[in-house]
Amino acid sequence: LAKTTQPISMDSYEGQEVNITCSHNNIATNDYITWYQQFPSQGPRFIIQGYKTKVTNEVASLFIPADRKSSTLSLPRVSLSDTAVYYCLVLSGGYQKVTFGTGTKLQVIP
Amino acid sequence: ETGVTQSPTHLIKTRGQQVTLRCSSQSGHNTVSWYQQALGQGPQFIFQYYREEENGRGNFPPRFSGLQFPNYSSELNVNALELDDSALYLCASSLSPDTYEQYFGPGTRLTVT
Repeated sequence: LAKTTQPISMDSYEGQEVNITCSHNNIATNDYITWYQQFPSQGPRFIIQGYKTKVTNEVASLFIPADRKSSTLSLPRVSLSDTAVYYCLVLSGGYQKVTFGTGTKLQVIP
Repeated sequence: ETGVTQSPTHLIKTRGQQVTLRCSSQSGHNTVSWYQQALGQGPQFIFQYYREEENGRGNFPPRFSGLQFPNYSSELNVNALELDDSALYLCASSLSPDTYEQYFGPGTRLTVT
């Protein structure tokens, strides 16, 4: 079962690029990596998913090195509305094992 | 398109009682997963249902059980409630069990006294 670790919190100024890294040292060959955003009193919202290298969508990029032992979520030009908790989620064997990270609380400062 | 809905929003139960939480999937989604999120913690996977069968389970005791109905809605049942069961219970639906993009509902806040 992949154990994940993230920084507890990060601060960033508006307009900056933010990179949040998740460590998953014992990730297995078939495991998949996804990232979610969660606001207080709401369910998590899907951001991006990936298996290896780089994935980009309209809101974020996900970088996964060759050894796949970590992944980095990159949020370009954050705004105040990006203040939230960000979770990485490793899925082992489909949904046979699901591990959410500890979460990173991002505070965007004006 | 209707998103994932959950009921009730809040619930207070006494230790030892039983509770049933309900979830309606997003339109077109046939797979439902349930998570428990304690205050200040990340969500913990309870189980997933696909085609009315359990399709994966986290590290939760058998007193946590579920059902999925032909219309893909789902229930989470918890028997013999304990104080540590107090948490936000989240339901998430996805297009299929092979899809990792999940759509979460707002959750049910359960308090056990």
